[in-house]
Amino acid sequence: GEQVEQRPPHLSVREGDSAVITCTYTDPNSYYFFWYKQEPGASLQLLMKVFSSTEINEGQGFTVLLNKKDKRLSLNLTAAHPGDSAAYFCAVSSGYGSSGNKLIFGIGTLLSVKP
Amino acid sequence: NAGVIQTPRHKVTGKGQEATLWCEPISGHSAVFWYRQTIVQGLEFLTYFRNQAPIDDSGMPKERFSAQMPNQSHSTLKIQSTQPQDSAVYLCASRRDWANQDTQYFGPGTRLLVL
Repeated sequence: GEQVEQRPPHLSVREGDSAVITCTYTDPNSYYFFWYKQEPGASLQLLMKVFSSTEINEGQGFTVLLNKKDKRLSLNLTAAHPGDSAAYFCAVSSGYGSSGNKLIFGIGTLLSVKP
Repeated sequence: NAGVIQTPRHKVTGKGQEATLWCEPISGHSAVFWYRQTIVQGLEFLTYFRNQAPIDDSGMPKERFSAQMPNQSHSTLKIQSTQPQDSAVYLCASRRDWANQDTQYFGPGTRLLVL
């Protein structure tokens, strides 16, 4: 089955620096990709979802890149601020059949942004 | 919109007791998912309902765990004879419909501690 590897597990940056989190996956049939943010004591909040083969999506203060050829998904927080401190999870769905509904998550990255 | 509601938020049980966790999906959402989150294993899929019917329970432990969705407004996850290794945060998520690219919205979770 699908396996998702997320790196790094912990990341500490200074305010204003960029922070990059990367996920690689194994199933070439994976089709839908998600980034979630989890603040301490809170639930998962969707940051962004991407579907196309190679896509760069820009959100508020971050960029998501999907490269299906390399089976790699990345989240780049530009100019991080202390409010970005949280756990970030990538999630992958194959999109096929009944088993394609579930999300396969990376282990998570605990980001700390220091003032 | 109150989002996905999970009760209780915290539950402490003794080894061997039964635990029932409750989820109310977002109104109008036809898909309900259960996941389990631990430090060691991360986020793991347990089971999925669509229009109240069980579709994929491939992540459910074969013994002691069961899930039901008796009506469109709630789902329950029951753990019989709880064991310390069942201690985790149990997350419920709902999705508008059957489309896998649609966002899964997560509840705040139930933190289960088995002593």
